[in-house]
Amino acid sequence: DAGITQSPRHKVTETGTPVTLRCHQTENHRYMYWYRQDPGHGLRLIHYSYGVKDTDKGEVSDGYSVSRSKTEDFLLTLESATSSQTSVYFCAISAGGTGETQYFGPGTRLLVL
Amino acid sequence: GENVEQHPSTLSVQEGDSAVIKCTYSDSASNYFPWYKQELGKRPQLIIDIRSNVGEKKDQRIAVTLNKTAKHFSLHITETQPEDSAVYFCAAGRQAGTALIFGKGTTLSVSS
Repeated sequence: DAGITQSPRHKVTETGTPVTLRCHQTENHRYMYWYRQDPGHGLRLIHYSYGVKDTDKGEVSDGYSVSRSKTEDFLLTLESATSSQTSVYFCAISAGGTGETQYFGPGTRLLVL
Repeated sequence: GENVEQHPSTLSVQEGDSAVIKCTYSDSASNYFPWYKQELGKRPQLIIDIRSNVGEKKDQRIAVTLNKTAKHFSLHITETQPEDSAVYFCAAGRQAGTALIFGKGTTLSVSS
């Protein structure tokens, strides 16, 4: 499981409230990613990080921000949650000999009412 | 932008038959092609991957082929078993630290 945990695993929130999801890894991987998974869309990249305080946007970054103040933690924040952000969120890390292989955390199921 | 097309979206086979899933990609700079299996309610799990300097790779009942000229790659599962039933995703990527672009998935059902 590449030492990845996500919290919370499930969350129900209301439209307009802020939400922060946490990804924690124990193996000092440099690269970390946040994806969302929706039916009919596969997995889409929200943001990624290539080191402490180094982040960049992915394909579907609008409405999301991230922070990485420590190597082991990558936080995803929905500043003001909307119903369109109801989804399953997966964190991933890059590992392997050449570093392209991505391994996923267990996921967070978010429902915005 | 970069795109990965995956077909078919659903595939039903009898136990023991073979299953083939095909993907095409648009970014000619892609050089890494993983396949993931996702069971209901679980995380995607890497099952096999191939890099652009290799045309074919095999691991027991699973094989992947790559045609860089045509920009397509395929997953082959032989002697399918009910436990192969899952959603399979292909993806294309470049070097470490860049995004994987995923196909939309294929739901494979293996009936006994």
